[in-house]
Amino acid sequence: DTGVSQNPRHKITKRGQNVTFRCDPISEHNRLYWYRQTLGQGPEFLTYFQNEAQLEKSRLLSDRFSAERPKGSFSTLEIQRTEQGDSAMYLCASSPHGSSDTQYFGPGTRLTVL
Amino acid sequence: SQQGEEDPQALSIQEGENATMNCSYKTSINNLQWYRQNSGRGLVHLILIRSNEREKHSGRLRVTLDTSKKSSSLLITASRAADTASYFCATDATLIQGAQKLVFGQGTRLTINP
Repeated sequence: DTGVSQNPRHKITKRGQNVTFRCDPISEHNRLYWYRQTLGQGPEFLTYFQNEAQLEKSRLLSDRFSAERPKGSFSTLEIQRTEQGDSAMYLCASSPHGSSDTQYFGPGTRLTVL
Repeated sequence: SQQGEEDPQALSIQEGENATMNCSYKTSINNLQWYRQNSGRGLVHLILIRSNEREKHSGRLRVTLDTSKKSSSLLITASRAADTASYFCATDATLIQGAQKLVFGQGTRLTINP
């Protein structure tokens, strides 16, 4: 067990609805990452936080996506006006500062947009 | 976009046999990691090999790295049914302030037949 938790594990929503996912990283890991994985593909980087600061965002992160990490601990990823193409597994990972080589992944949230 | 490619895309062997998976990548790296993913679950870190290393072992796992060919291989010896999973290689790409994002291949789907 890596210690990163994500909720919910599964989310089914209708197109146009907003959804929010939560990630709780390993305690004291100040680096947090979001990835997206579509069926049959490897994960792709979405965004990176160091403490509460969002320092990197991928071009994959459209304007409908927003991520926060308000107190430098848990993070949320919100998707507004969901589209069928948003259906994917959303993975969160964390790593400690100064040793960012290994990232520890959570179980993921599987989103299905109908 | 994916950094590299894994080969084969799918591999099916008998329990007890060895399984070899290959990974090729495109850019220079600091390290390369292998992750395992059981169906519908998060990623589990298996092993990290640095660019100045050529071979690394961990239990039944052996990883090699050839930076001149930009390739790596993962060998699982004496396979077990529990090894059935998808295996991904991931290279590092530098983010701001020294953090690294992982760039994954498409993965190899390994099936161990009892």
